[in-house]
Amino acid sequence: AQSVTQPDIHITVSEGASLELRCNYSYGATPYLFWYVQSPGQGLQLLLKYFSGDTLVQGIKGFEAEFKRSQSSFNLRKPSVHWSDAAEYFCAVGAFYNTDKLIFGTGTRLQVFP
Amino acid sequence: AAGVIQSPRHLIKEKRETATLKCYPIPRHDTVYWYQQGPGQDPQFLISFYEKMQSDKGSIPDRFSAQQFSDYHSELNMSSLELGDSALYFCASTFSSEYGYTFGSGTRLTVV
Repeated sequence: AQSVTQPDIHITVSEGASLELRCNYSYGATPYLFWYVQSPGQGLQLLLKYFSGDTLVQGIKGFEAEFKRSQSSFNLRKPSVHWSDAAEYFCAVGAFYNTDKLIFGTGTRLQVFP
Repeated sequence: AAGVIQSPRHLIKEKRETATLKCYPIPRHDTVYWYQQGPGQDPQFLISFYEKMQSDKGSIPDRFSAQQFSDYHSELNMSSLELGDSALYFCASTFSSEYGYTFGSGTRLTVV
């Protein structure tokens, strides 16, 4: 079955610290992988996406993610977190070369302390 | 750049009433998806349309129906509203997965 797992429901970091949000997926076809960020009551903003090629992808706001096929993972990282990064982060997977629906993980809530 | 437009942004309805949510995809996008996000939940797929035909169906209640029109905009019709229908409803559109999915800002439906 197709699924996305985000093991960490809630993460708290200090401002300036590094961050890694975990994402594991199970998908039959070659996956497209996405990270979205959502501030409270707001819409979903795309941080970055992976389709093919270089397994380390750069996104907006200083985020990056690395696709590891052998581990079925697509972890999101940021070297230095800012207070404005506090939000809910969703990992999602979609089909390759197909307009299949996105399947979301349950999200990780990031809290940043000054 | 044009984005996905959803209307209304906020909607308050009473139980057993009917609501209609609208979604206007990015021009030339041919696929529309509807998601429901309950409080503290991840977005759950409801239904999608490709070239005005239903292409996939998720956990959409029978009280809900949707369609995509000739201009590619889509409407989600919700009848006999229940308190549990209170949620943020997102629409997304795409031309193909390679180009990614663009989400609208959502419609927040509150059923009282």
